[in-house]
Amino acid sequence: QAQFVQSGAEVKKPGASVRLSCRASKYTFTQYTIHWVRQAPGQGLEWMGWINAGNGNTQYSQKFQGRVTITRDTSAGTVYVDIGALTSEDTAIYYCTRGVSWGQGTLVTVSS
Amino acid sequence: NFMLTQPHSVSESPGKTVTISCTRNSGSIANNYVQWYQQRPGSAPITVVYEDKQRPSGVPDRFSGSIDSSSNSASLTISGLKTEDEADYYCQSYDNVNWVFGGGTKLTVL
Repeated sequence: QAQFVQSGAEVKKPGASVRLSCRASKYTFTQYTIHWVRQAPGQGLEWMGWINAGNGNTQYSQKFQGRVTITRDTSAGTVYVDIGALTSEDTAIYYCTRGVSWGQGTLVTVSS
Repeated sequence: NFMLTQPHSVSESPGKTVTISCTRNSGSIANNYVQWYQQRPGSAPITVVYEDKQRPSGVPDRFSGSIDSSSNSASLTISGLKTEDEADYYCQSYDNVNWVFGGGTKLTVL
């Protein structure tokens, strides 16, 4: 079954940017779309966007359009999400997922 | 975009059966597959049902998914409840390109 290993926790100041990574294994990387989902403390799951790992096409939730960029490195089997102009509202755990498999999550804390 | 509505919480006793609903407010529930995710406290979600009724390997057959076009809803049924089933459960579907999550249901097994 597909596995995803995500990068470690981040602490950022308001206004900063952050890049999170998600390394895939145990399946053919370019054959699937990978999504990013986040969960603020005590809240539900929120979809951010996806990338087609084969052709690089992306789609974003309207909420994150223009502030979030999802990319991939096919040679490394890794997907990235860049989030800019961070605010305290972005404090959350960020997950990558192929739908059936999920990464372990990365905690991003935004605090001055 | 459409919305998926779940009950905020449900509770049931060990050994019993519980059903969690997920109602779509516009468009047909049958138009796009529904997935169900289980999330225990402090853990990442895991998929218990995909494509309406399929179970990933390793998920016990106590978990089953279905859709009902008459009520425009999907359901997750868990039979033979165990204390380890206590968790938050989320339904998810999509409208061609965007994912949509339900608000989540807290299952208490007492």
